[in-house]
Amino acid sequence: GAGVSQSPSNKVTEKGKDVELRCDPISGHTALYWYRQSLGQGLEFLIYFQGNSAPDKSGLPSDRFSAERTGGSVSTLTIQRTQQEDSAVYLCASSLPTANYGYTFGSGTRLTVV
Amino acid sequence: AQSVTQLGSHVSVSEGALVLLRCNYSSSVPPYLFWYVQYPNQGLQLLLKYTSAATLVKGINGFEAEFKKSETSFHLTKPSAHMSDAAEYFCAVSPPYGNNRLAFGKGNQVVVIP
Repeated sequence: GAGVSQSPSNKVTEKGKDVELRCDPISGHTALYWYRQSLGQGLEFLIYFQGNSAPDKSGLPSDRFSAERTGGSVSTLTIQRTQQEDSAVYLCASSLPTANYGYTFGSGTRLTVV
Repeated sequence: AQSVTQLGSHVSVSEGALVLLRCNYSSSVPPYLFWYVQYPNQGLQLLLKYTSAATLVKGINGFEAEFKKSETSFHLTKPSAHMSDAAEYFCAVSPPYGNNRLAFGKGNQVVVIP
């Protein structure tokens, strides 16, 4: 597609429920990244994909968080048993194989856990 | 590991005045450097990037940044602030090879005063 698409744009969920966030990167971008942005906290790296592999998942905050990428394209970030501290904007970005080109970001998914 | 420092989370500037946002980096190798802008409720958009060519880099919306190796800096400037420049600005660094992800600073929230 023309840009990075994220869905849903907003998600309100009850504490303890599971959520799935979707990212559709730019066609041809082999690298895909997930970040979390909390109020006043800046950008927190979560996980990086190159193709379908995740060589760097060091930023996932707990085992409740997981992500996968299929067909070298769409990625899904899953949060199990959501907690209130998971409330944040989740940003996805994609790039050509190396970060030197810079990222293209999606508009994000705003997750609110009540 | 690469990192960037952005001081002063909030920056106020009068309309028509100079915009100056400071970014200092730490890197063991000559880095690639980026500035991103985030408007309310949007993802991050690339303003400009330094990739070891010209040290003075011009970006969109009248912004420019100068790479100074001796000062390990990549400050962002715009000669005359416009109301539409109110946004959050992030500096980021990447090595030219290897670990593929960008390291972001904590951001500067710019407020433009009429």
